[in-house]
Amino acid sequence: DIQMTQSPSSLSASVGDRVTITCQASQDISNYLNWYQQKPGKAPKLLIYDASNLETGVPSRFSGSGSGTDFTFTISSLQPEDIATYYCQQYDNLITFGQGTRLEIK
Amino acid sequence: QVQLVQSGAEVKKPGASVKVSCKASGYTFTSYGISWVRQAPGQGLEWMGWISAYNGNTNYAQKLQGRVTMTTDTSTSTAYMELRSLRSDDTAVYYCARWVPAGTFDYWGQGTLVTVSS
Repeated sequence: DIQMTQSPSSLSASVGDRVTITCQASQDISNYLNWYQQKPGKAPKLLIYDASNLETGVPSRFSGSGSGTDFTFTISSLQPEDIATYYCQQYDNLITFGQGTRLEIK
Repeated sequence: QVQLVQSGAEVKKPGASVKVSCKASGYTFTSYGISWVRQAPGQGLEWMGWISAYNGNTNYAQKLQGRVTMTTDTSTSTAYMELRSLRSDDTAVYYCARWVPAGTFDYWGQGTLVTVSS
């Protein structure tokens, strides 16, 4: 099975900060990686697909990059409504999610 | 607009079975697959498996092989997930999600809480 390691597991930042989350795959997954946002009590929401493509309707402050084993998710200017847990997900071989990154406001 | 509406919360005893439904609307049901993802309390997301709404082909997570069955009813655009021999660690919120080839979940149901307790 492909393991996905996300870091950090939690993060505290101020409104307006640039926030970066990383996800590392245990083997090469090309660009077969998605990012999701999950707010408390809600279903996950797709933000980024195929490592770097912004889902329709998602604000442009969200972005993704990377290929192979190392991937990055960035929020360019943190907004209060971005408080959530973020997950990476690979689909190169079946499906695996990262363990999540809980983002809080400082 | 695309919607996935799931059935309501369930409480089951250990050893019992549960069947959760997911009714799709707003798109051609047979053009996409449905995947099931669960989330134990305070934990992360766990993929359970996938079913093609076109031909019924399935692919289950190895951990759940033999205990889970996913089906669809194309006449009602509804997907079902049945989990048998329930244990306490099956307590979770169960989500259905529309599966875009090859592995992206672009729409999700609201979730169904399944509690397993004696």
